[in-house]
Amino acid sequence: DIQMTQSPSTLSASVGDRVTITCRASQSISSWLAWYQQKPGKAPKLLIYDASTLESGVPSRFSGSGSGTEFTLTISSLQPDDFVTYYCQQYNSYPGTFGQGTKVEIK
Amino acid sequence: EVQLLESGGGLVQPGGSLRLSCAASGFTFSSYALSWVRQAPGKGLEWVSTISGTGGGTYYADSVKGRFTISRDNSKNTLYLQMNSLRAEDTAVYYCAKDRTPGYCTNGVCYEPQPLLFDYWGQGTLVTVSS
Repeated sequence: DIQMTQSPSTLSASVGDRVTITCRASQSISSWLAWYQQKPGKAPKLLIYDASTLESGVPSRFSGSGSGTEFTLTISSLQPDDFVTYYCQQYNSYPGTFGQGTKVEIK
Repeated sequence: EVQLLESGGGLVQPGGSLRLSCAASGFTFSSYALSWVRQAPGKGLEWVSTISGTGGGTYYADSVKGRFTISRDNSKNTLYLQMNSLRAEDTAVYYCAKDRTPGYCTNGVCYEPQPLLFDYWGQGTLVTVSS
């Protein structure tokens, strides 16, 4: 199975900060990577797919990059609504493994 | 508007069984693969199972293989997960999730071109396995 490793597990930042979350795959997944945002008590929401394509309706302050085994999610200017948890997921092959999550906290 | 509504969760003893349902609306149900993804309390997301749009293809995580069965009724727009031999470690919120890309059939063979990429999720149903 492909393992997905996110870092950091927790990130402390302030409103307006630019932040980056990294996701590494244990083997190449081409660009078959998605990023999800999850608010407490809610279902995950798709933000980015194919590593860098923004899902419809997602604010442009979110962006993704990478291919192969290394990927990043960048939030260009953190807004109050962004202080939640983010997950990467590979959909290159079964099982569709998720990273362990990154919680973005208010500094 | 796409809607996925799970039901059937609850408290069950170890070794017991439970059947989850996910009622769908707002899209052509039979065109999309559907999945179950679970999240243990305070933990991350874990893919559990996927079924193709026609129901002809099913996939399972090793952790549930042989105990869980995914199925769908395309006439009722409903997805199911039959869970048997439940264990404490199966305690989680179970989400149903829809593939972003529809499948297609050609020359009698059906394909899901981009499985496991989920654009809509239900609100989840809690399964607690405890004595």
